[in-house]
Amino acid sequence: SAVISQKPSRDICQRGTSLTIQCQVDSQVTMMFWYRQQPGQSLTLIATANQGSEATYESGFVIDKFPISRPNLTFSTLTVSNMSPEDSSIYLCSAELAGSYEQFFGPGTRLTVL
Amino acid sequence: ILNVEQSPQSLHVQEGDSTNFTCSFPSSNFYALHWYRWETAKSPEALFVMTLNGDEKKKGRISATLNTKEGYSYLYIKGSQPEDSATYLCAFRVNAGNMLTFGGGTRLMVKP
Repeated sequence: SAVISQKPSRDICQRGTSLTIQCQVDSQVTMMFWYRQQPGQSLTLIATANQGSEATYESGFVIDKFPISRPNLTFSTLTVSNMSPEDSSIYLCSAELAGSYEQFFGPGTRLTVL
Repeated sequence: ILNVEQSPQSLHVQEGDSTNFTCSFPSSNFYALHWYRWETAKSPEALFVMTLNGDEKKKGRISATLNTKEGYSYLYIKGSQPEDSATYLCAFRVNAGNMLTFGGGTRLMVKP
């Protein structure tokens, strides 16, 4: 299994500012992902974080709004840029071990934008 | 767009009751079906990964079945306890390495 930590666990931010969320995995993993859960909605994939190259974004998500880095196998960051109240969500990092069907999740970052 | 649905959306039961919920998913291009248990402020906890039609898995009082031909999975909790209160999520995967498509979850509340 893998243990995933995220920082910060929660934040309250002002409209127009940006927040960077960090994700650290305790094992070397193949895939890392970023998800979002807006209030009352399902968990939705934002992007796959690729090591050493640009992330792969899902429909409806763009790099300018959600820049992602993954400098090595165990660490990734997600930035929520130019925030608006609609960005208020729980953001979760997940990772998949090589040869495993399972995806493990971090505890999430609860973001409120005023 | 893959459609994964869970029912009911929420469920209130008394301690000791047994309960079950449903996850429905596309029956084509199936690779795996995941069940997670998610308590507030904690990481979603992986319960089961199911890959074969007819799979039945069990973990303590929780069990799950899978029917890939008709596109559904059931999660059962026997003798519910207050600590079972959580949101139970299912997620559908088309093939290895791809994203999980989540259902909306079933929020279970067990009253002592």
